[in-house]
Amino acid sequence: AQKVTQAQTEISVVEKEDVTLDCVYETRDTTYYLFWYKQPPSGELVFLIRRNSFDEQNEISGRYSWNFQKSTSSFNFTITASQVVDSAVYFCALRSGGSGNTGKLIFGQGTTLQVKP
Amino acid sequence: SQTIHQWPATLVQPVGSPLSLECTVEGTSNPNLYWYRQAAGRGLQLLFYSVGIGQISSEVPQNLSASRPQDRQFILSSKKLLLSDSGFYLCAWNLLGHPNTEAFFGQGTRLTVV
Repeated sequence: AQKVTQAQTEISVVEKEDVTLDCVYETRDTTYYLFWYKQPPSGELVFLIRRNSFDEQNEISGRYSWNFQKSTSSFNFTITASQVVDSAVYFCALRSGGSGNTGKLIFGQGTTLQVKP
Repeated sequence: SQTIHQWPATLVQPVGSPLSLECTVEGTSNPNLYWYRQAAGRGLQLLFYSVGIGQISSEVPQNLSASRPQDRQFILSSKKLLLSDSGFYLCAWNLLGHPNTEAFFGQGTRLTVV
């Protein structure tokens, strides 16, 4: 069975601090995709990043960076120099790859990040 | 560019009343369509998905149904709402194969059953 675990329910930091959101996944698929989404108070899910299982290269986009490690089944997300606008719920998600997959996402329970000024 | 529209944004319905939530996608053809629900708390659960017109797969048994009357239209319905149907409903789309895209979500419908 597939599963995504975000052990951190809530994180509170002060602006300009760095923060890492943890994500651990379980799957038996050899091909899969991992995602991070941001849910601001408005409610809609905003796509942040997709990572393929065969590409372990870490990625940096501005203040955001992602560390994908297949050996530990983790896909962690770091925000550098956090800002108040980063306050949101962040979801990690898993999707099967390969033929016959339906594209459905398995979500973690989410991590609520509060950045205080 | 592709866009996804979902309405209404907010809905308050009495127990036992019917429900119809609509989702449409623009700017793409033959998308996969999904309905997710986010109950109080945070987790998102897949309710239904569709890979084509008239093709609906249900993930969990429940009081809801879905239909896809047109390629880019996905409807979530109920004949009689229960209190437990309250939640935040999100429609999403993606493309599988070539190109292979991530899922994009609508702005959601917050349903309160009273």
